[in-house]
Amino acid sequence: GAVVSQHPSWVICKSGTSVKIECRSLDFQATTMFWYRQFPKQSLMLMATSNEGSKATYEQGVEKDKFLINHASLTLSTLTVTSAHPEDSSFYICSARVGGSEADTQYFGPGTRLTVL
Amino acid sequence: GNSVTQMEGPVTLSEEAFLTINCTYTATGYPSLFWYVQYPGEGLQLLLKATKADDKGSNKGFEATYRKETTSFHLEKGSVQVSDSAVYFCALSHSNYQLIWGAGTKLIIKP
Repeated sequence: GAVVSQHPSWVICKSGTSVKIECRSLDFQATTMFWYRQFPKQSLMLMATSNEGSKATYEQGVEKDKFLINHASLTLSTLTVTSAHPEDSSFYICSARVGGSEADTQYFGPGTRLTVL
Repeated sequence: GNSVTQMEGPVTLSEEAFLTINCTYTATGYPSLFWYVQYPGEGLQLLLKATKADDKGSNKGFEATYRKETTSFHLEKGSVQVSDSAVYFCALSHSNYQLIWGAGTKLIIKP
């Protein structure tokens, strides 16, 4: 149980285009999803916290107009990187919080590697 | 504020060696503690967790005990395998369920 998927697993795009990444909880409902960015050989950087039906809460320094997050349902959150540039190239990982007796536990998707040319 | 400190890597061991990866934390209240593992090119997998003092989390031969008196949650395994090679992250759960992460420790197991 507690499986989280991400799509696509990798994407290459041209500078200036937008890219959408989907995060789905497959066998549970997630009231909260988190989006992270991971640079090579580094720990995860929390970008935003996404609650179903409400606006995402962005961490300091993360541009909300550039990284659009939509949490449309209890099983789906999307991250759209708008007008992508090479410096946006990174590994993006989502996680979902289960709730209930495991409210403190996050389950992670496999990640999406974005390369902007 | 809350923080997690874990030993720097890489840690290189021979197969069947005993593993310890140290993790200490600073936190107010009573956080939950986690170890996550990241295999090359993959996302993170929950390895084990503990939610209160003296709890022991265990999975796949790995163990960690929540020590409030030393604010530690060291990861141990009695006999490592090549397949255990990965990056291991210690983390604590904040009051708003956000995770506070350690820097990660790369583990390399040689046959």
